[in-house]
Amino acid sequence: GAGVSQSPSNKVTEKGKDVELRCDPISGHTALYWYRQSLGQGLEFLIYFQGNSAPDKSGLPSDRFSAERTGGSVSTLTIQRTQQEDSAVYLCASSPRSGVPDTQYFGPGTRLTVL
Amino acid sequence: DAKTTQPPSMDCAEGRAANLPCNHSTISGNEYVYWYRQIHSQGPQYIIHGLKNNETNEMASLIITEDRKSSTLILPHATLRDTAVYYCIVRPRGFGNEKLTFGTGTRLTIIP
Repeated sequence: GAGVSQSPSNKVTEKGKDVELRCDPISGHTALYWYRQSLGQGLEFLIYFQGNSAPDKSGLPSDRFSAERTGGSVSTLTIQRTQQEDSAVYLCASSPRSGVPDTQYFGPGTRLTVL
Repeated sequence: DAKTTQPPSMDCAEGRAANLPCNHSTISGNEYVYWYRQIHSQGPQYIIHGLKNNETNEMASLIITEDRKSSTLILPHATLRDTAVYYCIVRPRGFGNEKLTFGTGTRLTIIP
């Protein structure tokens, strides 16, 4: 079946611009996660959704970062007034449920470059 | 979350078994051991997880010591496509523990 998809696959933007990154989870998965991976760094958790609500936003690095999920499906991660340090691969994952040690399935990521 | 310690890199000959160790000496009773891998330029891929018993699936085997302070991921017949960074993650069960905390992992290189 279809896996997690993300768009765009690559995004180049200028410093100060806003960007939106999209994640389509696996159909029927109720939990959705955003992570990011900076060059040479490990994967860093950003935010987690259960349905349309976000019980854990602890990883969002600043108030320039926000995310929403609608209809229990698609999620959008928005970065306002982008900075060069925002350059990274942004990864989305989904899992069938939460609260149990469920497997997270990752998408291919969106590579964001801020010039 | 309990921290994990992995060697930064390992090599393995193609066709041989790759044994990747992980130390998680501060693991608690309700924490699972997960393994993911990340092939270059791709998102992480789930491999296997376990609590205290050894586990096997179509990709790998997971051996957890009796005291649960360490584990070994075994890829029985490594191929070139198994070259990747392998992450050992300890994760509590239950609500509020959904996120995965990735360390630096082990970069496994399969040698032809």
